[in-house]
Amino acid sequence: AQSVSQHNHHVILSEAASLELGCNYSYGGTVNLFWYVQYPGQHLQLLLKYFSGDPLVKGIKGFEAEFIKSKFSFNLRKPSVQWSDTAEYFCAVISGNTGKLIFGQGTTLQVKP
Amino acid sequence: GAVVSQHPSWVICKSGTSVKIECRSLDFQATTMFWYRQFPKQSLMLMATSNEGSKATYEQGVEKDKFLINHASLTLSTLTVTSAHPEDSSFYICSALTSGSKNEQFFGPGTRLTVL
Repeated sequence: AQSVSQHNHHVILSEAASLELGCNYSYGGTVNLFWYVQYPGQHLQLLLKYFSGDPLVKGIKGFEAEFIKSKFSFNLRKPSVQWSDTAEYFCAVISGNTGKLIFGQGTTLQVKP
Repeated sequence: GAVVSQHPSWVICKSGTSVKIECRSLDFQATTMFWYRQFPKQSLMLMATSNEGSKATYEQGVEKDKFLINHASLTLSTLTVTSAHPEDSSFYICSALTSGSKNEQFFGPGTRLTVL
């Protein structure tokens, strides 16, 4: 079965630290990749997505992610986090033509001011 | 961007009663809507896929007689939790796809259901 794995369940950083959240997926065919963020008390918002083309994708709020096909990975990065980045982050994959989003377990990011 | 709303945002009901949750696409027509369930501190689990005018497709392990889904129009899908039990307490989230959204789903704010 297709699956998405996020390695870090809870990350605590100080402001201005760099962030990298790992995401690996199991499907070997064509995939669409997403990172979503869920701020406390709010709904899911799309941070960035990869469909094709440049494997380095830039999203909102200074986030970026790199698709490495050979590693089945789509890690999320931000050079310098802010307190306002405190949230839950979800990696998700759509494989083939199913249209179904498969979510990773989520990573809780806590940024200390 | 595309906006999806859910109503109610939270609901408390007694065990054995039924609860209906609405999901609306406010400024676009949703060819497909999805219903997810999210337990505390856990990820979103897809429950079913709903296409306008046809029966919903349920994921393995989801009881279709318990979680009734109706996608009556291109802007509205409803999820009815029938004969609710405390174990049905959860956060229910819908999302919507448009024909031009290229697999990008737009999410609603979610509905917190608490069954007493």
